[in-house]
Amino acid sequence: NAGVTQTPKFHILKTGQSMTLQCAQDMNHGYMSWYRQDPGMGLRLIYYSAAAGTTDKEVPNGYNVSRLNTEDFPLRLVSAAPSQTSVYLCATNIDTGELFFGEGSRLTVL
Amino acid sequence: KQEVTQIPAALSVPEGENLVLNCSFTDSAIYNLQWFRQDPGKGLTSLLLIQSSQREQTSGRLNASLDKSSGRSTLYIAASQPGDSATYLCAVILFGNEKLTFGTGTRLTIIP
Repeated sequence: NAGVTQTPKFHILKTGQSMTLQCAQDMNHGYMSWYRQDPGMGLRLIYYSAAAGTTDKEVPNGYNVSRLNTEDFPLRLVSAAPSQTSVYLCATNIDTGELFFGEGSRLTVL
Repeated sequence: KQEVTQIPAALSVPEGENLVLNCSFTDSAIYNLQWFRQDPGKGLTSLLLIQSSQREQTSGRLNASLDKSSGRSTLYIAASQPGDSATYLCAVILFGNEKLTFGTGTRLTIIP
């Protein structure tokens, strides 16, 4: 039981490039979410999905997601900007609201 | 809008001491409150979850309390150890809203 797995752990890309951060869970949890973590600003919710086939965004622009199945919740940066340099954390919920996090993906946009 | 505050941002205490970390929130209509631990370069690990109907939860040397009327929660760590050094974050969920609001955390250092 791996829990929540995020790949890659580190990545550098240039402004304007696109990339996808992967998140996979093997706990059969319905609710999944993406946060970004920046120094002094805490964790901020980017996108969430209550179940396969549904998604909703918390912050506009620059990101999109898909939830084709229960296990996977990839986050796509459409055209990367330096402001998207951050640590990205994926999480799943159970019904009580308890969260389980992956180890994060550290992204640098030059 | 729910705001969650953790003060102080950093705390250093000698090994063996008991300590308290604080978390304040502005909207008392919370569904639950969670405390997390984060080690450098790692994700968050859930420590304790307190449901709205509960006043405290305990796990080993950790005890978390919840006072909704005052908008406060505390995390008590007994007999601190160097391995307790980490950043501790609290987060709340409001009723009718599945999203968590996080505090910015307290970075704890236990001095051997």
